Amino acid sequence: EDQVTQSPEALRLQEGESSSLNCSYTVSGLRGLFWYRQDPGKGPEFLFTLYSAGEEKEKERLKATLTKKESFLHITAPKPEDSATYLCAVQAYNTGKLIFGQGTTLQVKP
Amino acid sequence: DGGITQSPKYLFRKEGQNVTLSCEQNLNHDAMYWYRQDPGQGLRLIYYSQIVNDFQKGDIAEGYSVSREKKESFPLTVTSAQKNPTAFYLCASTPIDLTQPQHFGDGTRLSIL
Repeated sequence: EDQVTQSPEALRLQEGESSSLNCSYTVSGLRGLFWYRQDPGKGPEFLFTLYSAGEEKEKERLKATLTKKESFLHITAPKPEDSATYLCAVQAYNTGKLIFGQGTTLQVKP
Repeated sequence: DGGITQSPKYLFRKEGQNVTLSCEQNLNHDAMYWYRQDPGQGLRLIYYSQIVNDFQKGDIAEGYSVSREKKESFPLTVTSAQKNPTAFYLCASTPIDLTQPQHFGDGTRLSIL
């Protein structure tokens, strides 16, 4: 069964304290792995798509990496405005549907 | 600006009542989706449509219905058969190339009166 697990569920950081969020997945043929950011009461906002192991993508303080079993979202020197829930989703070749993890809620304190 | 508009933002349902959530997009996307989000859980797919006048059940379709009469619109009806409708409902869309990321609206929060 295709499955996505994110850890930790919640993460509190001080401003400037770098860390990583984990997304572990099992899927029968990975078409793509997606990272989204979701603010309270809002819809998810697209961040990155990764397609193959070894691929990396960066945007400002965020960097996403992919292996055959997991993806990491690295946050370098975070700021309070980075506080949000970060969602990971995988898309399988056979179904084309997105399977979402439960999210990691990040709080960055000044 | 192109995007997805969901309305209303908040909705209350009485016992035995059907309610309809609106989703409109002006991105010229072919595929549209409805998800349900509960606290501490990932988004779960309710229904999706890849073309006008056609749609498929997702993982949790029971108690819900949809229509796709226009490319821009994909309304979701939460019927009285859905016994636990309290949740945050999200609509999304993609171009015909399903490898493209899904774009989301800002959701409708449905509660029971």
